[in-house]
Amino acid sequence: AQSVTQLGSHVSVSEGALVLLRCNYSSSVPPYLFWYVQYPNQGLQLLLKYTSAATLVKGINGFEAEFKKSETSFHLTKPSAHMSDAAEYFCAVSGGGATNKLIFGTGTLLAVQP
Amino acid sequence: DGGITQSPKYLFRKEGQNVTLSCEQNLNHDAMYWYRQDPGQGLRLIYYSQIVNDFQKGDIAEGYSVSREKKESFPLTVTSAQKNPTAFYLCASSLGAGVGAQPQHFGDGTRLSIL
Repeated sequence: AQSVTQLGSHVSVSEGALVLLRCNYSSSVPPYLFWYVQYPNQGLQLLLKYTSAATLVKGINGFEAEFKKSETSFHLTKPSAHMSDAAEYFCAVSGGGATNKLIFGTGTLLAVQP
Repeated sequence: DGGITQSPKYLFRKEGQNVTLSCEQNLNHDAMYWYRQDPGQGLRLIYYSQIVNDFQKGDIAEGYSVSREKKESFPLTVTSAQKNPTAFYLCASSLGAGVGAQPQHFGDGTRLSIL
């Protein structure tokens, strides 16, 4: 069975500050991990994905995430927040295999203060 | 441009009425998915289809039905048996499974409300 836990349903940062959104996973098989972003009343857009090629994954819009097997974590970071980063962020896990099903976390709403 | 189109953007349902949400993709993806999104609960899988004329129940299939007669289309019907249908519904698609995990691509959603 697989699951994802996102710590902190709401995170607020100042513009220019570090963004850190936390994601811990549980998986009985080597996981594939994803971060998605959702703007209000829109669908989800893929930020980045981990598929075992490299533990530090760079995504779009300056975001990156590091896979740490020992900590079962896949935290999302961005060195300097921009107002346009305000959105909801979802971490998801998949075991790949026959169905490619994704298990999503409950999301973290990021607010960026001027 | 390739993508996923969901329609309508907003939909209203009367008590006891079935409604159908449309999802069309031109990405040539084999797999398609329907999710329900409620505040604070993330996305929950309703149904998914890996190939034409085949689909499987997800975690919350009760009160919903789907069909997959064409590769491009995966409509979702919310039946009167679904007692709490008010939610944001998202359709997604991906390349076929079994080749490592493929990212899912999402439409812009349909917001369903009860009158």
